[in-house]
Amino acid sequence: QVHLVESGGGLVRPGGSLRLSCAASGFTFGDYYMNWIRQAPGKGLEWVSYISNTGSHANYADSVKGRFTISRDNAKNSLYLQMNSLRAEDTAVYYCARDPGSNWFDPWGQGTLVTVSS
Amino acid sequence: EIVMTQSPATLSVSPGERATLSCRASQSISNSLVWYQQKPGQAPRVLIYGASTRATGIPARFSGSGSGTEFTLTISSLQSEDFAVYYCQQYNNWPPITFGQGTRLEIK
Repeated sequence: QVHLVESGGGLVRPGGSLRLSCAASGFTFGDYYMNWIRQAPGKGLEWVSYISNTGSHANYADSVKGRFTISRDNAKNSLYLQMNSLRAEDTAVYYCARDPGSNWFDPWGQGTLVTVSS
Repeated sequence: EIVMTQSPATLSVSPGERATLSCRASQSISNSLVWYQQKPGQAPRVLIYGASTRATGIPARFSGSGSGTEFTLTISSLQSEDFAVYYCQQYNNWPPITFGQGTRLEIK
């Protein structure tokens, strides 16, 4: 079945960097747009970024534009999020999610927690 | 940016009763609306897409309705496993893709 597993989260100081990964299985990864969505502790959901199936185009929420970069390696069935200049307000569980074709999200991974704190 | 507003923030309902959750868009989104359910410590899962189409494996007690700016998720007879947080999300006008703030459905 379709499975997404995120990794790479952890504790990082403000201004630091972190790279998240999402390993996909159970479907033809290169056929689908992919997304990152985050959820701050006790808060709601915030879309972060998407990338097209070929990786040729991407887009970002204003809150992360210029600091985060989404990428993918279709040969490795993997999605990435490079996060630079991290701020306390970036603290959240980061989920990767597949776009089934209409700009919504199904399924989601289990998430990886990023904590930005000194 | 389209702002999605859910009401109420918290809904207390007894098992076996009907629950009605609302979602309003700040401008028309046609039927480009999804409902997700999130249980504590879990990722969200899709319940309804296209405002009214149940996702695969979702019980028939879940139904969605609405178009334009007003949408409703109805759970006809609440089961214990239905107590969770529910989010709506629009996908008509993006980026950004936007979510409502969520409705917490709790046991009365």
